[in-house]
Amino acid sequence: NAGVTQTPKFRVLKTGQSMTLLCAQDMNHEYMYWYRQDPGMGLRLIHYSVGEGTTAKGEVPDGYNVSRLKKQNFLLGLESAAPSQTSVYFCASSYSTSLGRETQYFGPGTRLLVL
Amino acid sequence: DAKTTQPTSMDCAEGRAANLPCNHSTISGNEYVYWYRQIHSQGPQYIIHGLKNNETNEMASLIITEDRKSSTLILPHATLRDTAVYYCIVRAFTGANNLFFGTGTRLTVIP
Repeated sequence: NAGVTQTPKFRVLKTGQSMTLLCAQDMNHEYMYWYRQDPGMGLRLIHYSVGEGTTAKGEVPDGYNVSRLKKQNFLLGLESAAPSQTSVYFCASSYSTSLGRETQYFGPGTRLLVL
Repeated sequence: DAKTTQPTSMDCAEGRAANLPCNHSTISGNEYVYWYRQIHSQGPQYIIHGLKNNETNEMASLIITEDRKSSTLILPHATLRDTAVYYCIVRAFTGANNLFFGTGTRLTVIP
């Protein structure tokens, strides 16, 4: 199993450009998450999904959109990138919220620089 | 979810036990204590979790005080590969299952 993979690994954008980050998991997990991590800080939840076709806002959703058209994929979109979105983006997945199945597995991260 | 307080940084000699404390004085009865770690530039990795009993797995031990207001993660024989930021997270099994990460403890294992 590859676990959780993210593409691209690194990207440079100009202010106002758009892009999509792809997260894929091969563990048949129901739940998927997008976090961002700024220098010296912990992770903050952007959006999450509890199943195919469903998404919800997290702690810092502004400026981002997501889609979960397939169970194994969770896309994070930036419609008009801003320098404040320079960050490292982590995707994670888990089976559910039930005890014993709630462990989150994280991808390697995508480093985004917005100029 | 309850807030946690951890020391900013700690050092540990290689081969010794690393004891990482965490205060969670506002923890509620249905909230679990989780530990994750993040090795430089990588995604966080789950270590262990518990409710009120002490827990042990192949990676670490978790000691929770009787009043549940604090806990300690123990890495019994720290290696250089254990150098990482360790996050203590308290959460209940409701809602999105998202994890509230603070700034964690940066553990440096010294040769």
